[in-house]
Amino acid sequence: KNEVEQSPQNLTAQEGEFITINCSYSVGISALHWLQQHPGGGIVSLFMLSSGKKKHGRLIATINIQEKHSSLHITASHPRDSAVYICAVRSKTGNQFYFGTGTSLTVIP
Amino acid sequence: DTGVSQNPRHKITKRGQNVTFRCDPISEHNRLYWYRQTLGQGPEFLTYFQNEAQLEKSRLLSDRFSAERPKGSFSTLEIQRTEQGDSAMYLCASSLSGTQYFGPGTRLLVL
Repeated sequence: KNEVEQSPQNLTAQEGEFITINCSYSVGISALHWLQQHPGGGIVSLFMLSSGKKKHGRLIATINIQEKHSSLHITASHPRDSAVYICAVRSKTGNQFYFGTGTSLTVIP
Repeated sequence: DTGVSQNPRHKITKRGQNVTFRCDPISEHNRLYWYRQTLGQGPEFLTYFQNEAQLEKSRLLSDRFSAERPKGSFSTLEIQRTEQGDSAMYLCASSLSGTQYFGPGTRLLVL
């Protein structure tokens, strides 16, 4: 079993829809990251969270430490949001990072 | 462009050959990470440096893999006696205070 599980694996949405991607983890963490990976392979860090909620533009990330769960929300989705979204956690004990397998999002105009 | 560069961007090699990849992090970043990513999977952690010290190594990093960061700036990842299973994207990331900035990756194909 992976230390980080994401759902759904694939997601197709119409432009303008509200999108939620979920991440659950099983290890103690010091921080959780949401990453965006475009088809060319480049990875961009979206958020780093250790508690609560962060917002950047149309993106919102939340984390519940007790439930070991995080969500990434995209409001008013747009085709340029199409990418793979990856959840990663940094272990509490050191500098190990564990990654989910990603959620492939396609936003249709 | 995040400011992290990796070279080469692509490498094709024959099984059994040695390969070396280079990562140049953002200059003031003291932390540097190497990851491996295969198709359809998330990145897998390989190793981590703080300055020139290699502080963490994944069990994925077999004895054929070695990484260095001799002066605490650029880093190299060497794979000796490459195997077909080493074919993957090798990603480097650097950070100063937590957020990681990823390089474009080196895509390795072992024939």
